[in-house]
This record gives sequence, C-alpha cells and structure tokens, in this order.
Amino acid sequence: GQQLNQSPQSMFIQEGEDVSMNCTSSSIFNTWLWYKQDPGEGPVLLIALYKAGELTSNGRLTAQFGITRKDSFLNISASIPSDVGIYFCAGQLYGNKLVFGAGTILRVKS
Amino acid sequence: EPEVTQTPSHQVTQMGQEVILRCVPISNHLYFYWYRQILGQKVEFLVSFYNNEISEKSEIFDDQFSVERPDGSNFTLKIRSTKLEDSAMYFCASRDRETGELFFGEGSRLTVL
Repeated sequence: GQQLNQSPQSMFIQEGEDVSMNCTSSSIFNTWLWYKQDPGEGPVLLIALYKAGELTSNGRLTAQFGITRKDSFLNISASIPSDVGIYFCAGQLYGNKLVFGAGTILRVKS
Repeated sequence: EPEVTQTPSHQVTQMGQEVILRCVPISNHLYFYWYRQILGQKVEFLVSFYNNEISEKSEIFDDQFSVERPDGSNFTLKIRSTKLEDSAMYFCASRDRETGELFFGEGSRLTVL
C-alpha cells in the first residue's frame, strides 16, 4: 500500500529557530496536507497543497508540493513555544482517503 | 465555525464487549471517515463512507467493525467484540465538498481492559 516517510522523527529546538520537516513517498498524490496534533486532540489542518510545485504560506508556516508529486516539505519560521506538538504530513489521491506520515514531534525550548 | 463532534471522549470497556463510537459530521459534507491512532503511532485509515455505503476500507477494518449512518446526522463506528489491541484514539472525519479537505473530530479514546 501507499506509505509516507516523514522526517525527522523528532526535533528539539531553541525558540526563534526555523524548523524544516519533509515527507516522501514512492507513490504520487494529488494533494499534500500538513496537520498539527496537540495532545489528546484530533489533527488540525495547517496547510493544503493542490498542485505540483505549489508553494503556500500560512503565517509563519510555508509548505511546498514537490514537482514529482511524491514529496512535500513544511517550514516553520521563528518558532515559538506554542508550536510544540506533532506534525503530520498526509497525501491524498483524487479526494479519497488520507495516508499519513508517522509524524514529527516538535519540542521548543524557550 | 462548523465542526465534527465525537462522543464519548473516552470509553473504558472490558475485552469482548461491544462499543459504539458516535460522530456528527459537518452538515453539508457527504464523505465520512474513521481513522485510528494507537498511542504514539501514526493515524491510520479504517473506512470511508459515502451515499450510505462503505466506499473503501483498510485491512484493519475486519468483520468486528461496522459503520452506520442511522439518521441524517450521526455516523457511528461499532466494534462488536473488543480486543486489547483495539485500544486507541478513534477519529471521525468528514470531507468538504468543494476543497476535498478532511476535517477531524477531537477523537474518542477507547481503552480495552
């Protein structure tokens, strides 16, 4: 089945630093999404990408849909303590089910 | 802002008991999903539901699982005879008709003893 490889598995960074995480797949997807999950809650959509090569920003977050449609990255600039959480990438094909990456645990020290 | 709501937020049950998890999707959405997340692991697809029938299911979704939309608003996941390994967070999601984005509920934590 389709699988996503998400890295890094975890990050422990200083407040104010930039963060970068990425996902790769052996399959192509029509849509890439990035979610954040806080403890005990459901995933919340951060950014959705619909076209290969698309670069989209949402505040301090920037994400890109790889040109091959098999990868995506998420950058967070100038991290703050509330950025702490688990970040998941997800691929979607033709508006169908999501395939999730394993997640990146982000910890921020202030 | 419309949201997906799930009940109960936490259920503790004995192994072998039946469990029903309930979801109220966003009202004008047509596709509904159940996902599962075992503690510390990634979110896994269980089943998708459209037009009152299952459109896709994963290998996790075996004969012990069933889904139903008993009325115009609720979408339920039933586990017939729970096993220890069914302990997980179960997330319901519904899909926006225009953007295709999935909106998740806050999850129901199931603990099987």
